[in-house]
Amino acid sequence: DIQMTQSPSSISVSLGDRFTITCRASQDIGNYLSWYQQKPEKSPKLMIYRATNLEDGVPSRFSGSRSGSDYSLTINSLESEDTGIYFCLQHKQYPLTFGSGTKLEIK
Amino acid sequence: QVQLKESGPGLVQPSQTLSLTCTVSGFSLTSYNVHWVRQPPGKGLEWMGRMRYNGDTSYNSALKSRLSISRDTSKNQVFLKMNSLQTDDTGTYYCTRDRRMYTTDSLDYWGQGVMVTVSS
Repeated sequence: DIQMTQSPSSISVSLGDRFTITCRASQDIGNYLSWYQQKPEKSPKLMIYRATNLEDGVPSRFSGSRSGSDYSLTINSLESEDTGIYFCLQHKQYPLTFGSGTKLEIK
Repeated sequence: QVQLKESGPGLVQPSQTLSLTCTVSGFSLTSYNVHWVRQPPGKGLEWMGRMRYNGDTSYNSALKSRLSISRDTSKNQVFLKMNSLQTDDTGTYYCTRDRRMYTTDSLDYWGQGVMVTVSS
């Protein structure tokens, strides 16, 4: 199975700051990586697909990138509504595997 | 519009079988894959299995011996059955679909989830 190592596990960030989450894949997954935001008691929401593509309706302050086996989600100019838990998902190979999640809080 | 909705019992006794239904609308089960994903309370997401658009299935190897996914295309429903439930199967169960037709992709629409508690 492909392991997705996500970091950090939690972080507190000030409003207006820039923030990056990273997932490292244990094998090559091409760009078959997506990012999700989950609010308390809510279903996950797709934010980024195919590593770098912004899902419709997602604010442009969100972006995705890749460097080798490291995939990153960056939030520029953090807003209060960005709090939640963020997960990555690889869909290159079955079984699909998620990162362990990053809890983002406002400082 | 696209919708998925899970239904099933909220409480299951240990060693019993869980049966969940995902009822979809706004798209065809013969064009899109549907997946089941679960989340223990306060923990991360686990992919359980997939019903492919053509009726094929894939399962998480950790659950494969206990899990079965099926569908009824005439009713727009996908079913999950998992036997020998234990307390660590407690959590929220989601159905979700692939973003693109006829392929595995990111998961764009999710059901609201159904909370399942395994307890006597």
